[in-house]
Amino acid sequence: DAKTTQPTSMDCAEGRAANLPCNHSTISGNEYVYWYRQIHSQGPQYIIHGLKNNETNEMASLIITEDRKSSTLILPHATLRDTAVYYCIVRAASGSARQLTFGSGTQLTV
Amino acid sequence: GAGVSQSPRYKVTKRGQDVALRCDPISGHVSLYWYRQALGQGPEFLTYFNYEAQQDKSGLPNDRFSAERPEGSISTLTIQRTEQRDSAMYRCASSLGLAGGVETQYFGPGTRLLVL
Repeated sequence: DAKTTQPTSMDCAEGRAANLPCNHSTISGNEYVYWYRQIHSQGPQYIIHGLKNNETNEMASLIITEDRKSSTLILPHATLRDTAVYYCIVRAASGSARQLTFGSGTQLTV
Repeated sequence: GAGVSQSPRYKVTKRGQDVALRCDPISGHVSLYWYRQALGQGPEFLTYFNYEAQQDKSGLPNDRFSAERPEGSISTLTIQRTEQRDSAMYRCASSLGLAGGVETQYFGPGTRLLVL
């Protein structure tokens, strides 16, 4: 799976949009971008995933650049409960490697 | 709730003892994963199963670590002759196991292991 690069930490004011960037310049054509988050000591929680189109769900929006080398997770109205470590993960849809490869993530503080 | 459950939640053991960590996945989930998480780091893959078959154990650090899922549901991760460096949070996750591979993994609360 391709390697991802994220900022170590970010701050966001409550009620404002939180924009979390991720670089994945070596992503392959069949690799999806996933976002998970981990609040304090809880287990990681799935947020959203996408291949090349922008995606939106009840939690967040995912914007993927046209060349797919980077993406941004957007939390439209951040609250205190969104304080967490956010992980950007690139993973192939098929093949033998089914596990998630977590990096260090971004510590978002609201 | 019908989420992933793990037991025990906390385990303190003495160096050299064997420990068994249990994971009960979401009902109907085909795939089950084990991860280990050190403090301040992201989870690190250990092994995974589809039904009862262990598909990949490349992340197990050495032969003191083993896992089984005999009936394709509950899984046990066993660490023999524990060492202090085995202290970590051990997390289990399960997923539907869709053939296409684009799927969500649901994580349990973890077992915090402390080896004295």
